[in-house]
Amino acid sequence: DTAVSQTPKYLVTQMGNDKSIKCEQNLGHDTMYWYKQDSKKFLKIMFSYNNKELIINETVPNRFSPKSPDKAHLNLHINSLELGDSAVYFCASSQGQDTAQETQYFGPGTRLLVL
Amino acid sequence: AQKITQTQPGMFVQEKEAVTLDCTYDTSDPSYGLFWYKQPSSGEMIFLIYQGSYDQQNATEGRYSLNFQKARKSANLVISASQLGDSAMYFCAMRERRTGFQKLVFGTGTRLLVSP
Repeated sequence: DTAVSQTPKYLVTQMGNDKSIKCEQNLGHDTMYWYKQDSKKFLKIMFSYNNKELIINETVPNRFSPKSPDKAHLNLHINSLELGDSAVYFCASSQGQDTAQETQYFGPGTRLLVL
Repeated sequence: AQKITQTQPGMFVQEKEAVTLDCTYDTSDPSYGLFWYKQPSSGEMIFLIYQGSYDQQNATEGRYSLNFQKARKSANLVISASQLGDSAMYFCAMRERRTGFQKLVFGTGTRLLVSP
């Protein structure tokens, strides 16, 4: 009964490869997000989707392409992986009511290591 | 300029003592929300507490309370009666109306270590 789930939990791959991370939420939320946490633990938003539509794209390289097949899923595809892409990627979701108090609930994170 | 500043990279506290983790923020938006998240060593992000810019009272959730000083733009997290399981990274975050409340901007975090 996990609220926000991500697969895989760990991902080790070679530079230049293409990989995907999947995210699903069963909270009935309308908005989903991808965040990147770097090696210094700094968390930064990458994308936000509301009802399958892109709301925020925070100057993320084109190699990163989010896809939302339905409002319960937001997948992240990364092309031509680079060493600097190594990080923990978090998916999150929220109701989508656009209020100050709306809480975002995070998935467990996917630890990506690019060799 | 940093939107969220957490000046304490690390904090130590003894079990059963109270500890305050500092957070200051920068915004000209009158409508915003402030959040604290906990990240234990297992890595997940756990929501702890929320404070709205229009809230008159400080938020409390069990052993967590938020010392909200609007004029000083600070939203410090107070953990009372610390437990060993409180050892973790703690992040302060903010969302503002001007971004449609879509973006949650995080501070750099404070690592808390609770000793027996």
